[in-house]
Amino acid sequence: DGGITQSPKYLFRKEGQNVTLSCEQNLNHDAMYWYRQDPGQGLRLIYYSQIVNDFQKGDIAEGYSVSREKKESFPLTVTSAQKNPTAFYLCASSWGYSNQPQHFGDGTRLSIL
Amino acid sequence: AQTVTQSQPEMSVQEAETVTLSCTYDTSESDYYLFWYKQPPSRQMILVIRQEAYKQQNATENRFSVNFQKAAKSFSLKISDSQLGDAAMYFCAYSDGGSQGNLIFGKGTKLSVKP
Repeated sequence: DGGITQSPKYLFRKEGQNVTLSCEQNLNHDAMYWYRQDPGQGLRLIYYSQIVNDFQKGDIAEGYSVSREKKESFPLTVTSAQKNPTAFYLCASSWGYSNQPQHFGDGTRLSIL
Repeated sequence: AQTVTQSQPEMSVQEAETVTLSCTYDTSESDYYLFWYKQPPSRQMILVIRQEAYKQQNATENRFSVNFQKAAKSFSLKISDSQLGDAAMYFCAYSDGGSQGNLIFGKGTKLSVKP
């Protein structure tokens, strides 16, 4: 079945540690996105990528980094510079056109130890 | 900058009844698209319905329909014959023609369905 796979489902970070969230899609979509979801805040865009080897900052990119070395993969690293990383992280993909909906993964819950 | 506002943090409906969730947006663009997503307790985001701004006809998907008022910049979602499985967070989202698919989300409305 085509879809988006996020892993792990739950992740714990220690102080000063970088952690990486995985996102893989087999929908052959060109565009991929990372969102952060906090209670009462909706979804906020962290980073997005329209094409391999290129990506742009979203509204809340500070403390995060991404790479897009393959079309199907868009990992997100939460660095130690992100002082409040506890949140639910959602990855999405689309064809990259405004009239096309985004398809979402099941999310990763990140917590601080 | 475009914004999306959902003024109802929580709503409740009796099973089999109809409920309407509100969404307003602010934009100076003429070419844009609007979406409603559902996020059940499993947390996966699911597309409910989509509306193109250039279409005057309101979109409908089975029990879900929208009331799109372009001049008022309003995009409400009506759920008919509500079912227990409709209980979820509902997010309104906006994408303009030049955004390459980037979405701006409202803060969501939590819908409860009473048996």
